[in-house]
Amino acid sequence: DGGITQSPKYLFRKEGQNVTLSCEQNLNHDAMYWYRQDPGQGLRLIYYSQIVNDFQKGDIAEGYSVSREKKESFPLTVTSAQKNPTAFYLCASSIAGWTGKEAFFGQGTRLTVV
Amino acid sequence: EDKVVQSPLSLVVHEGDTVTLNCSYEVTNFRSLLWYKQEKKAPTFLFMLTSSGIEKKSGRLSSILDKKELFSILNITATQTGDSAIYLCAPTITGNQFYFGTGTSLTVIP
Repeated sequence: DGGITQSPKYLFRKEGQNVTLSCEQNLNHDAMYWYRQDPGQGLRLIYYSQIVNDFQKGDIAEGYSVSREKKESFPLTVTSAQKNPTAFYLCASSIAGWTGKEAFFGQGTRLTVV
Repeated sequence: EDKVVQSPLSLVVHEGDTVTLNCSYEVTNFRSLLWYKQEKKAPTFLFMLTSSGIEKKSGRLSSILDKKELFSILNITATQTGDSAIYLCAPTITGNQFYFGTGTSLTVIP
């Protein structure tokens, strides 16, 4: 079955450590996105990529980094520079460009800094 | 600055009630507006609206877009406990970027 897989579901990190969240899709989508969700704040865009080897910053990119070496994969690294990383992270993918199609989401990763 | 505002932020109703959720937006290069339902983790797609005044329906849910006044509403009739969720609206802009609102948290009490 086609879909988006995020791993792990839960992640604990010590302050000062970098951590990488995985996102893999087999929908053959060109575009992929990372969102952060905090209580009462909806989804905020961190980074997005419309094509392999290219990505753009979203509204809250500071303290995060991404790579897009393969079409299927869009990992997100939460660096120690991110001051408040505890949140729920959602990855999504869609057909690139204006096609009138929706984005599909993974099940999310809940990151907690301890 | 692009902005998406949903109201109310939260809502508690009894089964059988009808609810109306609101989404107003200010984005550049608007292309469409999407509605999603988020029950636990992954938001699931409900509707895509591209034209004003054309109502989309799916069972007890319906939605309509007003591109002149820059808002959309999502109606749910005869609510059930399974409708309890966060409802998110997301205008899309050129380049297929999605801007999500804060969401409306709906709780349906038996």
